[in-house]
Amino acid sequence: QKEVEQNSGPLSVPEGAIASLNCTYSDRGSQSFFWYRQYSGKSPELIMSIYSNGDKEDGRFTAQLNKASQYVSLLIRDSQPSDSATYLCAVRSNYQLIWGAGTKLIIKP
Amino acid sequence: GAVVSQHPSWVICKSGTSVKIECRSLDFQATTMFWYRQFPKQSLMLMATSNEGSKATYEQGVEKDKFLINHASLTLSTLTVTSAHPEDSSFYICSGRGQGAQETQYFGPGTRLLVL
Repeated sequence: QKEVEQNSGPLSVPEGAIASLNCTYSDRGSQSFFWYRQYSGKSPELIMSIYSNGDKEDGRFTAQLNKASQYVSLLIRDSQPSDSATYLCAVRSNYQLIWGAGTKLIIKP
Repeated sequence: GAVVSQHPSWVICKSGTSVKIECRSLDFQATTMFWYRQFPKQSLMLMATSNEGSKATYEQGVEKDKFLINHASLTLSTLTVTSAHPEDSSFYICSGRGQGAQETQYFGPGTRLLVL
């Protein structure tokens, strides 16, 4: 069974600090990795996609991928209260997205 | 990112009735559509995957005769919940993906269904 694991949290981070979200996956053949943000009562929205090892930066967000260790992470710099949401990690395996259960992030003012 | 619309955004119906939810990709051709269900405080659960012009593939435990999926065109997929019951009350979300293995999935805003 292909799995994607995330710590459910909640992860509490003070405003202005760096929030670090982690995700591990079981299918070593996975090639595409995604971070989605989901606010309560809303559908997920794509934040970042990453396909190769290393870091990918987009504004305050940085995705990190390490295929050898089978983990992908998301860093949020200068965290804002509006970043409080559930962050879903998704891994493409054989044309299907395998979803993590999500990490609830709370940014404290 | 690409835009996916869903209609209606919320619906309340009586037990035993059928409800149809529409999902449209507005600015891309969704070769594949995914239908998810999410109960309060739970993670997304994939119900079925459909490719344009083909029958949907349902996940284990999802009744194909209860949740009818039609994906007749590259921009429209529908989910019909037949003979809805209170336990079908949930947040239904569609997602579209274009052609190609690297294509990203884009989500519709979701439809909240309440069956009385």
